[in-house]
Amino acid sequence: SQTIHQWPATLVQPVGSPLSLECTVEGTSNPNLYWYRQAAGRGLQLLFYSVGIGQISSEVPQNLSASRPQDRQFILSSKKLLLSDSGFYLCAWSIMNTEAFFGQGTRLTVV
Amino acid sequence: RKEVEQDPGPFNVPEGATVAFNCTYSNSASQSFFWYRQDCRKEPKLLMSVYSSGNEDGRFTAQLNRASQYISLLIRDSKLSDSATYLCVVPVVLNSGYALNFGKGTSLLVTP
Repeated sequence: SQTIHQWPATLVQPVGSPLSLECTVEGTSNPNLYWYRQAAGRGLQLLFYSVGIGQISSEVPQNLSASRPQDRQFILSSKKLLLSDSGFYLCAWSIMNTEAFFGQGTRLTVV
Repeated sequence: RKEVEQDPGPFNVPEGATVAFNCTYSNSASQSFFWYRQDCRKEPKLLMSVYSSGNEDGRFTAQLNRASQYISLLIRDSKLSDSATYLCVVPVVLNSGYALNFGKGTSLLVTP
């Protein structure tokens, strides 16, 4: 069966520090991978999606970047965090045009 | 018109009640739709998929009206454990891929 792992679960980082969140998927090949962010009291916002290794598309301009070094690995990064980067970050995968399955999320607080 | 719109609620209902949520979408080309459930401070989890006019799973019924571009979710015999936020999801084709557009969710609180 397919599983998705996302870590860490919670993170407190100072403004200006770097960020690296990692997500891995098991049990499937060539998934579509996604990073979403959910700010407090708001809906899920698509940040990045990837249809293959090295292929990253960004939906909104921001202080973040993403990379897909392996088929089932998706990384979200920032060189310098802003206060506005605080939120609940969710990694997800899907196969073709079907439902998506989410990791447990990382709750990031920038202080 | 926003791509996916939902009434944010909250909907407060007693146990055993029937409650319905509506969701409207703007992309008339969408073929499949989903309802997700999100508990407080947790990740969203798939509740139901809707590929044709509707779908039923136990106490949950989803209906699709393509002409009016809305999807509904009906919950019968509400349980305390149904308390959560329900997210309406519409797929969207992007420049080089596919992603899911989420509504902001409808909050449901089932009370004893």
